[in-house]
Amino acid sequence: DAGITQSPRHKVTETGTPVTLRCHQTENHRYMYWYRQDPGHGLRLIHYSYGVKDTDKGEVSDGYSVSRSKTEDFLLTLESATSSQTSVYFCAISEGNGWPHGYTFGSGTRLTVV
Amino acid sequence: DQQVKQNSPSLSVQEGRISILNCDYTNSMFDYFLWYKKYPAEGPTFLISISSIKDKNEDGRFTVFLNKSAKHLSLHIVPSQPGDSAVYFCAASGSGNTGKLIFGQGTTLQVKP
Repeated sequence: DAGITQSPRHKVTETGTPVTLRCHQTENHRYMYWYRQDPGHGLRLIHYSYGVKDTDKGEVSDGYSVSRSKTEDFLLTLESATSSQTSVYFCAISEGNGWPHGYTFGSGTRLTVV
Repeated sequence: DQQVKQNSPSLSVQEGRISILNCDYTNSMFDYFLWYKKYPAEGPTFLISISSIKDKNEDGRFTVFLNKSAKHLSLHIVPSQPGDSAVYFCAASGSGNTGKLIFGQGTTLQVKP
């Protein structure tokens, strides 16, 4: 397997609570990404990291923060969960710019905010 | 503004026939394009890619065609098999170190036995 795991796989949380999703890789890849998948929108980039403590925003970053204190871990935090953040979240890794094999994705975390 | 668009949410074909999935883009600066396949409850998996300097790339039953003047790419699957039933995403990326793949909305392919 690709050496990327996401936890938890499923989570139900209440509106207004903080939530942290974890992505762990064993490939020692430099780049890590968080995407969310929603019907009609495909996969949209939330945040990405290009090294330890180096992160930047994607197209749908509002309401999310990330941290990368080690090469292998990339955490996504919803500071105060809202129903609009109910989604499937995918972490991905890449060694370089993604050419020619793109990213390797984790299996996803299904988050439900009630 | 959606830079990568897949305008067909779904496609149904008969086993053994050709499946053609389409993708349009707006940014002429994209360097390369990829197709991913996704089964339910799994992450997307890489299928095939093409550089912007090529117009065709083939890998077994899968061929991707790129028409830069029309800003259009397509994925052909021949022959289609029931196991090909999945959601297919096209993605594009510009130059730069971070890659930052931009994905289309996805097309659900159903291959009927």
